[in-house]
Amino acid sequence: GAVVSQHPSRVICKSGTSVKIECRSLDFQATTMFWYRQFPKQSLMLMATSNEGSKATYEQGVEKDKFLINHASLTLSTLTVTSAHPEDSSFYICSASPPGASYEQYFGPGTRLTVT
Amino acid sequence: DAKTTQPPSMDCAEGRAANLPCNHSTISGNEYVYWYRQIHSQGPQYIIHGLKNNETNEMASLIITEDRKSSTLILPHATLRDTAVYYCIVRHGGSQGNLIFGKGTKLSVKP
Repeated sequence: GAVVSQHPSRVICKSGTSVKIECRSLDFQATTMFWYRQFPKQSLMLMATSNEGSKATYEQGVEKDKFLINHASLTLSTLTVTSAHPEDSSFYICSASPPGASYEQYFGPGTRLTVT
Repeated sequence: DAKTTQPPSMDCAEGRAANLPCNHSTISGNEYVYWYRQIHSQGPQYIIHGLKNNETNEMASLIITEDRKSSTLILPHATLRDTAVYYCIVRHGGSQGNLIFGKGTKLSVKP
């Protein structure tokens, strides 16, 4: 099946710094990618929809100035957590669908962010 | 998209069939049933999906009741590596939209 990668897999940063997470579709082009967040023992919650060449669409309650999304190419979307705080510590997961196969959404392996 | 209800947890003996139920009584005619699973600390993995007919692939079988108000995911011969949280999701067919995850069922396969 299609492959989606994320980098880094794990990151620890200090409070107040910014962290960038990359999401790549390795063998297909994705005009739309999704960013989810998952806190311990909870389900995935959608943060935003990343559209190639246009602004991302954020879910209610997600600060667009804090979670910057850039989808500059058909295979890469980035999520930058700006001025991170300990409460931003979470598991961040991206997903994408191959063209013509919207019924299959492929997820990246996730990025574990710890803010100290 | 219609809401789904799943038991919070289930146990299954290794080598036996695991039958995971899902209720989706408010499903509409053009909504599909999708199943994903998430192994601990990994991204979710697509398993199978269906509209009204039963479906089978190399991973699992999906049985949808005639009234489409419930379905069952069947793992025919569960292994320890099948231990995961299984999510049943209802979604409009052909949708490019995001998936809405509920709490899922934590399946524990025991030796």
